[in-house]
Amino acid sequence: EPEVTQTPSHQVTQMGQEVILRCVPISNHLYFYWYRQILGQKVEFLVSFYNNEISEKSEIFDDQFSVERPDGSNFTLKIRSTKLEDSAMYFCASSKVSGEQFFGPGTRLTVL
Amino acid sequence: AQSVTQLGSHVSVSEGALVLLRCNYSSSVPPYLFWYVQYPNQGLQLLLKYTTGATLVKGINGFEAEFKKSETSFHLTKPSAHMSDAAEYFCAVIANSGGYQKVTFGTGTKLQVIP
Repeated sequence: EPEVTQTPSHQVTQMGQEVILRCVPISNHLYFYWYRQILGQKVEFLVSFYNNEISEKSEIFDDQFSVERPDGSNFTLKIRSTKLEDSAMYFCASSKVSGEQFFGPGTRLTVL
Repeated sequence: AQSVTQLGSHVSVSEGALVLLRCNYSSSVPPYLFWYVQYPNQGLQLLLKYTTGATLVKGINGFEAEFKKSETSFHLTKPSAHMSDAAEYFCAVIANSGGYQKVTFGTGTKLQVIP
């Protein structure tokens, strides 16, 4: 059964550094998403991406964040100049036209 | 706009007892509703979903949920709790408006199963 994959599973970085979180969505899906879950809190929507552009972004997704689909398979989330409060689990998801979104296992980002 | 309210951040049940996790939603359009389970230090696993059709939906691990439009509810139940059900459960909604959508999650309910 196809699944969404994410790498790395755990990323540790120093405050102020840039990180890139990688996702491989399910191959025939068209919509891609990033979500964030701060420890002990609920999962929050960050951004949705379709046809090589952002469809919607939340207020959390400020200029510090960017997304890219650099090739036909990868979908990345870049965080520039990380802050302590960026420490969270980041989930990638993908979907067909509508309905169920399939989530990846997440990348735990720790900013020191 | 859409939102989800989960009543009770922590629920404890005895092994073998009924599990009932409550979820109420708000959506300006017909919703898609989901329950996800998250085990410690793991990702989100879909338990079950309601899109259209039958209002009582069955999912994995013996869980089921009923969509009640009049009550704007989508409560999750399981007749008999197992120790392995201990996890955090998230109710979620997608506004069925076509095209891209974002999932709005509830705050989660941690289920504790007491031996």
